[in-house]
Amino acid sequence: AQRVTQPEKLLSVFKGAPVELKCNYSYSGSPELFWYVQYSRQRLQLLLRHISRESIKGFTADLNKGETSFHLKKPFAQEEDSAMYYCALNQGGKLIFGQGTELSVKP
Amino acid sequence: EPEVTQTPSHQVTQMGQEVILRCVPISNHLYFYWYRQILGQKVEFLVSFYNNEISEKSEIFDDQFSVERPDGSNFTLKIRSTKLEDSAMYFCASSDTYGGVGETQYFGPGTRLLVL
Repeated sequence: AQRVTQPEKLLSVFKGAPVELKCNYSYSGSPELFWYVQYSRQRLQLLLRHISRESIKGFTADLNKGETSFHLKKPFAQEEDSAMYYCALNQGGKLIFGQGTELSVKP
Repeated sequence: EPEVTQTPSHQVTQMGQEVILRCVPISNHLYFYWYRQILGQKVEFLVSFYNNEISEKSEIFDDQFSVERPDGSNFTLKIRSTKLEDSAMYFCASSDTYGGVGETQYFGPGTRLLVL
């Protein structure tokens, strides 16, 4: 079955520290993966997708098919990065979400 | 920037009552979705809708649920007879493509439904 796993419910780091939010997936085809972010009291917003290979707000994510992972990274966390982060897999038009990781960046 | 909107933001209802959750997708989008998130759990797909038909639905989307695009702008989710376990945040989303590479689903702010 297609599945997305985010093993950490909460990740707490200090400002300026590197961040890595983990995401693993299981999918039989060629995956299309996304990271969505939800800031406090706001809607889910697309942060980035693997096909774009872009960096948004300093975040990057690389698809590793061998490890079936799509970890989200940022070298220097900022306080404004505190939010819920969801990894999602596109299965033919429907998104399959992970449980989400709450990132807390302390001053 | 255009956004998906949802009303109401909160709804409290009694078990067994019907509720209708409303969404206004982004105006040039053709594909519409409903997701839900029970407190503390993951966001789950309910249904996708295109050209006035359901494209796909999940196991959660049973006969108690229905969707409709009653006019050119609204997209609604109806729960016919609510149960306690229907309490959740319901998100509407829309996209201009479906399932293809490059598709982006844009989410509304959600409706928090509480069934008493």
